[in-house]
Amino acid sequence: AQSVTQLGSHVSVSEGALVLLRCNYSSSVPPYLFWYVQYPNQGLQLLLKYTSAATLVKGINGFEAEFKKSETSFHLTKPSAHMSDAAEYFCAVSGYGQNFVFGPGTRLSVLP
Amino acid sequence: GAVVSQHPSWVICKSGTSVKIECRSLDFQATTMFWYRQFPKQSLMLMATSNEGSKATYEQGVEKDKFLINHASLTLSTLTVTSAHPEDSSFYICSARALAEVTDTQYFGPGTRLTVL
Repeated sequence: AQSVTQLGSHVSVSEGALVLLRCNYSSSVPPYLFWYVQYPNQGLQLLLKYTSAATLVKGINGFEAEFKKSETSFHLTKPSAHMSDAAEYFCAVSGYGQNFVFGPGTRLSVLP
Repeated sequence: GAVVSQHPSWVICKSGTSVKIECRSLDFQATTMFWYRQFPKQSLMLMATSNEGSKATYEQGVEKDKFLINHASLTLSTLTVTSAHPEDSSFYICSARALAEVTDTQYFGPGTRLTVL
């Protein structure tokens, strides 16, 4: 069985500050890991994904995430937050054709 | 690339009527399409998985007679909410997994807001 936890349902950062959104997973098979962003009343946009290649994955909008097998983590970071980054962020795990399991989401607020 | 559209984006209907939502993969062929439901400030809940030309697989607790899914082609899946009631009001999101994709990546549509009066 697979599961995803996201520590912190709401994270606030100041504009220009580091963004760190946490994701931990459990999986009985080598996982594929994903980060998606959702703006209000919109669908999910793929930010980045880990698919067993490089452990440090770079995505769109300056985001990146590092897969750490020993810690079963896939935390999302961005060096400098922008106001437009305010949104809901979801981490998801899958593997070998299994359905996605989504985390509960983290709402990111960016303060001026 | 990998664009998924949904239509309509908003729909308001009276209780007891049926509503059809379309999900299309615009620039790729999708072996599998997924239908999710999302309540306010919550994560996505998978309702069903559909493969082109076969019956959908529903998650536990989802009424297959109420939420009819048809996946007639590699680019189109439809969700019909039959005899809708106010408790069916929600945000419905579809996603598609590409035929050529080997990494399970799902591409999501923009969602459909259903309000049942």
